[in-house]
Amino acid sequence: NAGVTQTPKFRILKIGQSMTLQCTQDMNHNYMYWYRQDPGMGLKLIYYSVGAGITDKGEVPNGYNVSRSTTEDFPLRLELAAPSQTSVYFCASRPLISTKQDTDTQYFGPGTRLTVL
Amino acid sequence: QQQVKQSPQSLIVQKGGISIINCAYENTAFDYFPWYQQFPGKGPALLIAIRPDVSEKKEGRFTISFNKSAKQFSLHIMDSQPGDSATYFCAARKGDTDKLIFGTGTRLQVFP
Repeated sequence: NAGVTQTPKFRILKIGQSMTLQCTQDMNHNYMYWYRQDPGMGLKLIYYSVGAGITDKGEVPNGYNVSRSTTEDFPLRLELAAPSQTSVYFCASRPLISTKQDTDTQYFGPGTRLTVL
Repeated sequence: QQQVKQSPQSLIVQKGGISIINCAYENTAFDYFPWYQQFPGKGPALLIAIRPDVSEKKEGRFTISFNKSAKQFSLHIMDSQPGDSATYFCAARKGDTDKLIFGTGTRLQVFP
């Protein structure tokens, strides 16, 4: 299993450009999440999905969109990139049903470092 | 009410010492408290987690202490090693949601 994979690893955007951050998991997990990580701020939830076709907003959804057409893929779309979106973006997934000891483990991808200039 | 407050922001410990990181929360509906470990350039990975029906959980050199009345929980790393140098995040989840609320992180450096 590759686990959670994210592409690209790095990207520089100009203000106003758009892009899609890709996230794929091969663990057949129902839940998927997008976070952004800023220095000293921890991880903030952008969007999440409880299964194909179902998405919901997290704490900081403005400026982003998501879709979940398959169990494996959960792309994050940035429209009209702004400098405030400079951050490291992490995708995560977790299974619907787990053992009691492992109920809420989220498995994170390696991240995408995005700079908006 | 949804916040998880984590301290200290950074911690320097000598090899063999004890590292202690603290977290506090307000929402009594939180029912799951994990700690994640993150190495530079990598995504966070679950280290250890606890539910509020126990006061302590130990896995190897890592222990979570949980104080329900004080609404606090802490991570203790015994016999700290240079390989433990990483950023540690506490988190909390409310039972009827699918979302984790993360603390702001503690950067731990263990010197030989």
